[in-house]
Amino acid sequence: DTAVSQTPKYLVTQMGNDKSIKCEQNLGHDTMYWYKQDSKKFLKIMFSYNNKELIINETVPNRFSPKSPDKAHLNLHINSLELGDSAVYFCASSQDSRRGKAQHFGDGTRLSIL
Amino acid sequence: SQQGEEDPQALSIQEGENATMNCSYKTSINNLQWYRQNSGRGLVHLILIRSNEREKHSGRLRVTLDTSKKSSSLLITASRAADTASYFCATAVNRDDKIIFGKGTRLHILP
Repeated sequence: DTAVSQTPKYLVTQMGNDKSIKCEQNLGHDTMYWYKQDSKKFLKIMFSYNNKELIINETVPNRFSPKSPDKAHLNLHINSLELGDSAVYFCASSQDSRRGKAQHFGDGTRLSIL
Repeated sequence: SQQGEEDPQALSIQEGENATMNCSYKTSINNLQWYRQNSGRGLVHLILIRSNEREKHSGRLRVTLDTSKKSSSLLITASRAADTASYFCATAVNRDDKIIFGKGTRLHILP
């Protein structure tokens, strides 16, 4: 009964490939997020959806496209993967998008580009 | 842009001692949160302190907030081996709906 689950846990692929990461939350939250954590542990927000609507879209290359089929799911598709995309990607959710609600995180997807 | 900065970057203490980590930020906040990240895992929310609060407790955790100095501290009392982790502060900025994380403090509890 994991609250926020993301798959896969590890993703190793070649440069130029296209890959997707899936995230699901069973907390009944309205808001979901994607974060990127680099090798120095710096955590940066990429996107946020509230009830399937995109509300935060940070300066992220067009190659990254989030999709939220319903409020319990938020997927991340990455086209033409580059070496610099290697990182840990975290999905998170919060009760709603009102300022600064506590967030619940998945255990991350470790993406390695060869 | 980064809002919170934790200090120190790394901290090693003996089991049973108290651990104190600090966070400084730049702009006005709605609230400040502390999270823990164990190796290979996601972040876990520990405590949230609102801008009109000065101190908050949760078990062995004590958080203070000084909005005049734009700083917060996290105190973990009677540390245990299981407290070994990275600790992040995150600020909810008044004009925004997102929270911004600092770079974290790596805490190592020595047996």
